[in-house]
Amino acid sequence: GQNIDQPTEMTATEGAIVQINCTYQTSGFNGLFWYQQHAGEAPTFLSYNVLDGLEEKGRFSSFLSRSKGYSYLLLKELQMKDSASYLCAVRDHETGANNLFFGTGTRLTVIP
Amino acid sequence: NAGVTQTPKFQVLKTGQSMTLQCAQDMNHEYMSWYRQDPGMGLRLIHYSVGAGITDQGEVPNGYNVSRSTTEDFPLRLLSAAPSQTSVYFCASRSGSGQYFGPGTRLTVT
Repeated sequence: GQNIDQPTEMTATEGAIVQINCTYQTSGFNGLFWYQQHAGEAPTFLSYNVLDGLEEKGRFSSFLSRSKGYSYLLLKELQMKDSASYLCAVRDHETGANNLFFGTGTRLTVIP
Repeated sequence: NAGVTQTPKFQVLKTGQSMTLQCAQDMNHEYMSWYRQDPGMGLRLIHYSVGAGITDQGEVPNGYNVSRSTTEDFPLRLLSAAPSQTSVYFCASRSGSGQYFGPGTRLTVT
């Protein structure tokens, strides 16, 4: 099975940096994904980590430590449009299908 | 490419009615899946398919059926709708490390 935890809500100021943490326990770990989801819309892919370390993509970075079962998403130079839910998802190869299992999401509110 | 498409966008059903949520993708992806999203519960996997003719159950399959007769289409059937199936339903398809979601169907069962 999978157990994925992330904070329910966070608030940050425009222009600042925010870090959204995710911890997981899974028997067949095969990668960690972050998605962004604006209210009323579908999730969109942000980042993917399968090896330990930091992956940087513009204002967004994601970090993974497989030994600690821990990841974070770092958002720099926050903009109002970054207000959204951020979903941590673990890919699990236990069934052979590499299904994606999601945490409950972190709702980020960016304030002026 | 249209990507992943879903119809309808919105649907209201009465308890006991049946219906099919449609999902199609034009990216020739072998893997497709259905999720439901409820407040406070996150996205939960209902059923998935690794290719035409192959389907399997996810975390919450009860009350739903799927079939995969072609690579492009992966419909989700509600056999006898219940209020507990009120949710937003997302279809997704995957290639390599990228999983792409459709726009969703918002279903209300009264």
